[in-house]
Amino acid sequence: QVQLQESGPGLVKPSETLSLTCAVSGYSISSGYYWGWIRQPPGKGLEWIGSIYHSGSTYYNPSLKSRVTISVDTSKNQFSLKLSSVTAADTAVYYCAREDATYGVRYWGQGTLVTVSS
Amino acid sequence: QSVLTQPPSVSAAPGQKVTISCSGSSSNIGNNYVSWYQQLPGTAPKLLIYENNKRPSGIPDRFSGSKSGTSATLGITGLQTGDEADYYCGTWDSSLSAGSWVFGGGTKLTVL
Repeated sequence: QVQLQESGPGLVKPSETLSLTCAVSGYSISSGYYWGWIRQPPGKGLEWIGSIYHSGSTYYNPSLKSRVTISVDTSKNQFSLKLSSVTAADTAVYYCAREDATYGVRYWGQGTLVTVSS
Repeated sequence: QSVLTQPPSVSAAPGQKVTISCSGSSSNIGNNYVSWYQQLPGTAPKLLIYENNKRPSGIPDRFSGSKSGTSATLGITGLQTGDEADYYCGTWDSSLSAGSWVFGGGTKLTVL
């Protein structure tokens, strides 16, 4: 069974960089699929942030692209998100997930709340 | 403003049927597969439907999906109180050179 687990600080100061890691178990990232990040501000809908293939190729949400970096570490079977210059608008539950244009977003992490506040 | 348009809320009585619509364009729904997600309060979204109308193992056949042109529909029959949740549609959007995932704004289902 594929499992994903997010980890990282729950509180980030404005203008700083949000950093999260997603550890994957039950499936090797190197075997395929895209691995991505999706966020959900409190009381609002889902917003796709971006995703990465094991080879390192990435896709980013155009509205966030200038601030987002997603990287992968196949040796640790994990991938990471960095979002720079954060503001209160970046406060959200951040989910990591396995994505596929045909099979949908089949596996999700439990989500981690990141609050941007001084 | 979401790329995909869903009604904010729908409601129906237990045992009844409900449908949730998802409207997009040729760059997303019109040329890509649609998936549907159920999000119970305080939990991560769960895949209900993929490839427009397929159900992952473990999803009951009370849930169904369809697509026509640039719109998609999720149907739920035999409504149960446990179906009360937010439902989201999602698909790939190829309007830009790189492409991106897009989601609807979500529909809150109330089982009266």
